[in-house]
Amino acid sequence: GAVVSQHPSRVICKSGTSVKIECRSLDFQATTMFWYRQFPKQSLMLMATSNEGSKATYEQGVEKDKFLINHASLTLSTLTVTSAHPEDSSFYICSASGSGGAGWTDTQYFGPGTRLTVL
Amino acid sequence: GENVEQHPSTLSVQEGDSAVIKCTYSDSASNYFPWYKQELGKRPQLIIDIRSNVGEKKDQRIAVTLNKTAKHFSLHITETQPEDSAVYFCAASPNTDKLIFGTGTRLQVFP
Repeated sequence: GAVVSQHPSRVICKSGTSVKIECRSLDFQATTMFWYRQFPKQSLMLMATSNEGSKATYEQGVEKDKFLINHASLTLSTLTVTSAHPEDSSFYICSASGSGGAGWTDTQYFGPGTRLTVL
Repeated sequence: GENVEQHPSTLSVQEGDSAVIKCTYSDSASNYFPWYKQELGKRPQLIIDIRSNVGEKKDQRIAVTLNKTAKHFSLHITETQPEDSAVYFCAASPNTDKLIFGTGTRLQVFP
C-alpha cells in the first residue's frame, strides 16, 4: 500500500516553455501533497505544500507564479513549471500523506521523481 | 523555523560492521522523525520512523533512538550489507504539514 506515481519520469524542454508534472496517489487518499526539488548530491528542498481543494502554501523563496501547483482531487496534484529556464533544471519529487491505508496521516510517501532538463 | 543537522556527510564501513548516523533538530515542538533511504536516481524510501512518545524503535537490523531533551535522534544499522549503500536522510516534523530534511549521509558498505 501507499504507492505514489509521478509522470513523466524525464522531460527535456526548450527555454521559455511550460512543463506539467503529475503526482498521483494510487491506493490511498492524499489529503496533503508536497513538492520537493533536489539538486545533485543534495538534500530535498520543500517547495510547497498543497491540500486538496485549497491553494498551495509555498516555502520562502519559491515563486508561486513560476511553480503553479494544483491539487484538484484526493489522488492528483500537478506542478507546472512556467516559462522554464536552464536554472530550473532539477529533480522534482512529490510526496503524499493521507488516509485509507497510508498509515499515520503525517507519513509521507514519495513518488519516483521527474528529471527536468531545460535547454 | 525547524533546522535539522545531520552527521556525518559520508560514512564508509566494512560489511558486517555497524553504522550510526546522527541528527539534531532545533524545534522542540517537532514530534515525528522519519528516516529515508535514497538510492541514486530513485525515490526516497521510508525505512523507519519514531514519534516523540517513544525513545527507541527497532526493525530487524535497523533501529532509531530519540532523545527529546537533547533534541537529537540517531539511526543505527547493524550487520551492514553492500545493499545498504545509499544516501540516508533524517527528517523532523514541526507539524503535520511538513518535513524538514537533514543534509544526508552517503553510506558505503565495502564487501
